[in-house]
Amino acid sequence: GQNIDQPTEMTATEGAIVQINCTYQTSGFNGLFWYQQHAGEAPTFLSYNVLDGLEEKGRFSSFLSRSKGYSYLLLKELQMKDSASYLCAVKDSNYQLIWGAGTKLIIKP
Amino acid sequence: ETGVTQTPRHLVMGMTNKKSLKCEQHLGHNAMYWYKQSAKKPLELMFVYNFKEQTENNSVPSRFSPECPNSSHLFLHLHTLQPEDSALYLCASSPPPPSAGDYNEQFFGPGTRLTVL
Repeated sequence: GQNIDQPTEMTATEGAIVQINCTYQTSGFNGLFWYQQHAGEAPTFLSYNVLDGLEEKGRFSSFLSRSKGYSYLLLKELQMKDSASYLCAVKDSNYQLIWGAGTKLIIKP
Repeated sequence: ETGVTQTPRHLVMGMTNKKSLKCEQHLGHNAMYWYKQSAKKPLELMFVYNFKEQTENNSVPSRFSPECPNSSHLFLHLHTLQPEDSALYLCASSPPPPSAGDYNEQFFGPGTRLTVL
């Protein structure tokens, strides 16, 4: 079966750095997405990786290793507004998105 | 604002009621999706429409009935639901899959929080 694993919840301090990991086992791979979802709101696109390596976008970076079936989302200079759930999703060989259950990130002052 | 709107935002219904959820997108996309999001579970893809034609039905019970009258509007008709159907129902749209080389980002609406009593 297809599976996406990510931690259920993480806590970090304002101003610090946090890394959210995602491991996947899917039938084929056509890219990996990270989405952010604030409570009661729509998921919004953060990043996309299809080749190995690091993609940097401001305070957020996303890394991919296809051989290891592994990705992480790195958030720097954490702000209170970064408190949200972070969803990892992989596009499989049929171009369907397979979703993880999300990681709830709690930022403390 | 993502360009995808959903109404109502909250809905409480009894098991014998019939109701409909509405989704509208103004992004010029041709693919639209219904997802179910339950607490601490992955998003569950329910239905996919591509150019108004249903292309995916992921073993969804018949008490959920989708309708896509045009590429901008998507409905989910609900009848005789069960308490376990209580969840957040999300609509999304994207350029039509598959498109090798494009990442076909999905744009989500804010969802309808459904409670079945």
